[in-house]
Amino acid sequence: AQSVTQLDSHVSVSEGTPVLLRCNYSSSYSPSLFWYVQHPNKGLQLLLKYTSAATLVKGINGFEAEFKKSETSFHLTKPSAHMSDAAEYFCVVSNINAGKSTFGDGTTLTVKP
Amino acid sequence: EAGVAQSPRYKIIEKRQSVAFWCNPISGHATLYWYQQILGQGPKLLIQFQNNGVVDDSQLPKDRFSAERLKGVDSTLKIQPAKLEDSAVYLCASSFLTGGGGRSYNEQFFGPGTRLTVL
Repeated sequence: AQSVTQLDSHVSVSEGTPVLLRCNYSSSYSPSLFWYVQHPNKGLQLLLKYTSAATLVKGINGFEAEFKKSETSFHLTKPSAHMSDAAEYFCVVSNINAGKSTFGDGTTLTVKP
Repeated sequence: EAGVAQSPRYKIIEKRQSVAFWCNPISGHATLYWYQQILGQGPKLLIQFQNNGVVDDSQLPKDRFSAERLKGVDSTLKIQPAKLEDSAVYLCASSFLTGGGGRSYNEQFFGPGTRLTVL
């Protein structure tokens, strides 16, 4: 069994300030973890992925996430927010063996000028 | 490379009618997924195919939903009859064949989705 909890349904930051989107997971297996972004009326786009290599993962657009097994967390961060970062973000846990993926309910990121 | 294609992009029907969605995955991707995304929620997996076989359909409401992937390429998802609560975006995704080898075999590529409104 596996599950994902995104701890904040909405996050609001000012442009140029750091971004932190929190994600905790539960998995009976060694998980793969992903962050996807969804802009309004657009498809889901992969930001970054963890697949049992380095625990600090760098993605596109300056985002990164750190896999912490002891805390079962995979939080997404960015040092400086841009207006274009405003979107819905989904944390995903996947069973490496079966390929089944479970999405969190999403975090809406608002970036204020 | 071409992405995952879906059609139609939008569909409005009345309850009890039937509707079908089509998906063409990225060439060479053996795994195909259908998700339902209700407004304000994350995508929920409905069915997963590996080539033309079903891997997981545990969350597919089989009394009204059906899906097929003939020849292991494109796929069709059908709802018959539709209910009001079926209003959602239906997402199709594809990925490389799952397995070992160190590659990103669970990375899914998503289509733009079909927005269904049931009145």
